[in-house]
Amino acid sequence: SQTIHQWPATLVQPVGSPLSLECTVEGTSNPNLYWYRQAAGRGLQLLFYSVGIGQISSEVPQNLSASRPQDRQFILSSKKLLLSDSGFYLCAWSTPDSFNTEAFFGQGTRLTVV
Amino acid sequence: AQSVSQHNHHVILSEAASLELGCNYSYGGTVNLFWYVQYPGQHLQLLLKYFSEDPLVKGIKGFEAEFIKSKFSFNLRKPSVQWSDTAEYFCAVIAGYSSASKIIFGSGTRLSIRP
Repeated sequence: SQTIHQWPATLVQPVGSPLSLECTVEGTSNPNLYWYRQAAGRGLQLLFYSVGIGQISSEVPQNLSASRPQDRQFILSSKKLLLSDSGFYLCAWSTPDSFNTEAFFGQGTRLTVV
Repeated sequence: AQSVSQHNHHVILSEAASLELGCNYSYGGTVNLFWYVQYPGQHLQLLLKYFSEDPLVKGIKGFEAEFIKSKFSFNLRKPSVQWSDTAEYFCAVIAGYSSASKIIFGSGTRLSIRP
């Protein structure tokens, strides 16, 4: 069966420090991968989307970047964190066949920038 | 670009009341639609999904949703809610049948059930 791992679960980082959140998927190949940010009253905002290795689509302008160095690995990064980067980040995957798919979510990372 | 609107931000009901949560999407072509639920402290999980067959979709825990193409709507319903239905509910859409199609979520509706 397929599983998705996201870590760390919680993170407290000072302003100006770098960030790296990692997400890996097991049990499937060539998944579509997503990074979302969940904020109260704003739902799940799609940040990045990837359909393959090295293929990243940025959905909103921001201080963050994403990379997909391997088929089932998706990394969310920042060179210098801002206070406004605090939030709950969710990684998700779906099958590439959009006719019969759904999003499967990781546990999420609670990021607090201080 | 596709988008999803959930106009009810917070709904408060008593147990046994009927529930309807609104969801509207914007996209002129073929869509697949989803409702996800997030119980307090838990992961997002799929309640139900629509894939171009019967417009009335039945999901887990007695929930159902109806796709009305002419209204661009996919409202979630339950005839009699329970306290355990307290959660946040998200509507989502994936537009078109392409490997590049992406899943877009609405802003969510928080449902509080009074015992």
